[in-house]
Amino acid sequence: SQQGEEDPQALSIQEGENATMNCSYKTSINNLQWYRQNSGRGLVHLILIRSNEREKHSGRLRVTLDTSKKSSSLLITASRAADTASYFCATDLTGANSKLTFGKGITLSVRP
Amino acid sequence: DVKVTQSSRYLVKRTGEKVFLECVQDMDHENMFWYRQDPGLGLRLIYFSYDVKMKEKGDIPEGYSVSREKKERFSLILESASTNQTSMYLCASSLPAREQYFGPGTRLTVT
Repeated sequence: SQQGEEDPQALSIQEGENATMNCSYKTSINNLQWYRQNSGRGLVHLILIRSNEREKHSGRLRVTLDTSKKSSSLLITASRAADTASYFCATDLTGANSKLTFGKGITLSVRP
Repeated sequence: DVKVTQSSRYLVKRTGEKVFLECVQDMDHENMFWYRQDPGLGLRLIYFSYDVKMKEKGDIPEGYSVSREKKERFSLILESASTNQTSMYLCASSLPAREQYFGPGTRLTVT
């Protein structure tokens, strides 16, 4: 199956800096979603952006979607140590009946 | 708040045993999912259910079966556990075309 591919695989930044994570995919989508996972726990949904949307905000999170380039980015502004986690993009592919295809994830470390 | 619960956080079973992993959601979601998560491989979909008694194979269904007799409960069954099924198992639920809500996961070790 087609997977979202995140970039970079790992990111280490200082508290207060911004973190930008990217996701690319291969086929048409209904929506794209970002999730966070703290070590050894379940995933938590962050943002869902539909194929007809270009940008979405939620608190310190900003997600963009460029369907012509088949890519999305997640920006976390003013990062905190508590943002340390793995981040996954997931695509709801057209015709996939609500099934999501997850990427392998980005490990974000925020140093205090 | 949506709550998805899984029957165990940690489970240790022996090779050849039949293993049941239970998942319950309290938000009347139509869709329920079982994934396994392994280092370097991300999340892979095992099975998916979009209604009671309805199921669909995911990307890696071999060695697994599922049961959904009630809308709120989705069970994953390992008919004869093998060591290569040692993994983190995650259950999720959702409304159609909406975000998924995940349980805390079950870390299964097969020895």
